[in-house]
Amino acid sequence: DAKTTQPTSMDCAEGRAANLPCNHSTISGNEYVYWYRQIHSQGPQYIIHGLKNNETNEMASLIITEDRKSSTLILPHATLRDTAVYYCIVNDMRFGAGTRLTVKP
Amino acid sequence: NAGVTQTPKFRVLKTGQSMTLLCAQDMNHEYMYWYRQDPGMGLRLIHYSVGEGTTAKGEVPDGYNVSRLKKQNFLLGLESAAPSQTSVYFCASTFSYREKNSPLHFGNGTRLTVT
Repeated sequence: DAKTTQPTSMDCAEGRAANLPCNHSTISGNEYVYWYRQIHSQGPQYIIHGLKNNETNEMASLIITEDRKSSTLILPHATLRDTAVYYCIVNDMRFGAGTRLTVKP
Repeated sequence: NAGVTQTPKFRVLKTGQSMTLLCAQDMNHEYMYWYRQDPGMGLRLIHYSVGEGTTAKGEVPDGYNVSRLKKQNFLLGLESAAPSQTSVYFCASTFSYREKNSPLHFGNGTRLTVT
């Protein structure tokens, strides 16, 4: 089974921030948290990853709690093209069902 | 630099037929993975390889075999296809999952239908 749990679905208004949570309470000290997204039935696309510090790149920000048991992916200004399934995984490369994010006009 | 290339893109098989899916990467990655994705579901790991000549079972290995004779190629075989193997198959690769800058790179998938 995947080592992460995510909500099944979320909605977000276009232009607003989308905050996607992920629980990984059994994460080991040297395991990274990775985020990917899958648009329609294309291959998943890498977004961001981190170990314990918060990370930011041109696509998103990743906030990891101090105890590392959960994290949040933030899309600062969601657009319609961000509608996708978002996956949070740790180093074992096993995917759960992800969160289906729908960005609405 | 083509990244991860999967062939074929589509295939229809009859029950009992065999086929091989090819995954090729040109990024000198050590680790390669095969996943399947059923409609409305997440990805499930079938088999993976941590280097040339090595393979290991994932979450759902039954009915599949794999080979990694060359570092750049990872083959997934179905010896006797069953309708339950109708799915989209994704290949992915990475340098090493324990290295920091080592995300997975995915191919565009092979859509397999078994009738």
